[in-house]
Amino acid sequence: QKEVEQNSGPLSVPEGAIASLNCTYSDRVSQSFFWYRQYSGKSPELIMSIYSNGDKEDGRFTAQLNKASQYVSLLIRDSQPSDSATYLCAVNGKYGGSQGNLIFGKGTKLSVKP
Amino acid sequence: ETGVTQSPTHLIKTRGQQVTLRCSSQSGHNTVSWYQQALGQGPQFIFQYYREEENGRGNFPPRFSGLQFPNYSSELNVNALELDDSALYLCASSWRTSVTDTQYFGPGTRLTVL
Repeated sequence: QKEVEQNSGPLSVPEGAIASLNCTYSDRVSQSFFWYRQYSGKSPELIMSIYSNGDKEDGRFTAQLNKASQYVSLLIRDSQPSDSATYLCAVNGKYGGSQGNLIFGKGTKLSVKP
Repeated sequence: ETGVTQSPTHLIKTRGQQVTLRCSSQSGHNTVSWYQQALGQGPQFIFQYYREEENGRGNFPPRFSGLQFPNYSSELNVNALELDDSALYLCASSWRTSVTDTQYFGPGTRLTVL
């Protein structure tokens, strides 16, 4: 059973700090990795995708992938109260390397305090 | 906004009834995936449709069925509703390529089974 694990939190950081969200996955052949943000009562919104080892930056967000350690992380710099949400880590699943279902972790709830 | 639409927004049914949920994919996308998200959990993959055929299925019973139409829109049908079917049902659309498989979610349908 392929799994994605996240710390459920809540993770609380002060405004302006760096929030660090972590995720591990069980299937070594996974090739696509995603971070989604989900506000309470809303649907998941894509923040970042990453496919290669290393860092990928987009504005205040940096995704980091280490396939050898089966580890994905998301850093949020200069955290804002509007970043308060649940962050879902997702990994491509069973049906092929580039196209298939996503396997999600349970999500980490982030709270940014003003 | 992702361009993925779902209807209805909310639905209340009683145990044993049948329900149909609808999804219109983002323009240019040819693949639709359905997920079930229970409260406090990550989305769980139900099935995926590509070129009007089921292209993978998660661990859901046969009373969960679906369709994809020539315009790539899709339906999710659930028969003999059970209390545990109460959840947020998410549709995600994507463009099937050999490289990327980014899925974009619609706003979801909140189903309550009484």
